[in-house]
Amino acid sequence: SQKIEQNSEALNIQEGKTATLTCNYTNYSPAYLQWYRQDPGRGPVFLLLIRENEKEKRKERLKVTFDTTLKQSLFHITASQPADSATYLCALDHQAGTALIFGKGTTLSVSS
Amino acid sequence: EAQVTQNPRYLITVTGKKLTVTCSQNMNHEYMSWYRQDPGLGLRQIYYSMNVEVTDKGDVPEGYKVSRKEKRNFPLILESPSPNQTSLYFCASSTYSGAGQETQYFGPGTRLLVL
Repeated sequence: SQKIEQNSEALNIQEGKTATLTCNYTNYSPAYLQWYRQDPGRGPVFLLLIRENEKEKRKERLKVTFDTTLKQSLFHITASQPADSATYLCALDHQAGTALIFGKGTTLSVSS
Repeated sequence: EAQVTQNPRYLITVTGKKLTVTCSQNMNHEYMSWYRQDPGLGLRQIYYSMNVEVTDKGDVPEGYKVSRKEKRNFPLILESPSPNQTSLYFCASSTYSGAGQETQYFGPGTRLLVL
């Protein structure tokens, strides 16, 4: 069956450390994968998109990798801050991009 | 300001009473979509639309209807709501090309309670 899984429901780290979130998928062949941030009671906000032919993408303190052999994406936040505390969702394209399939999210808590 | 708006933001209704949740975007996006988000189940797609008069089912379409008569609007209709449709609903829009979707912009959400 098709699955998209984010490694853990919750991740707690200390301020200044690097947070690493994992997204694994099975029985999909996505052309791209996206990461979103969601704060409680609010809509997801787009962060980064990485295509299947890209190994790595960066934006400020964020870095995403995409390994189509392992069927895995890693999302890193370096020098994490309490303001980074939120739920992070990965999403992959399905059916030629007509749909986005979302993981259930990882809730990151950064303590000062 | 580029945005997706939804109305109402909060709604309490009773079983069987028809309701419509409106969604509008001001970015001239071709693609629009409705999701529901439930604890433990994540975001699931209800319906999507590739352009005006083109709609298709997502993963959980039962009990919902949509229409796309204008590019900017994509209302979600619950003809006969039931308690299992109590959820947080999000509308989203994006551009769509041969390379698929780009950034999805989400609305603020509509929290629906069906009694």
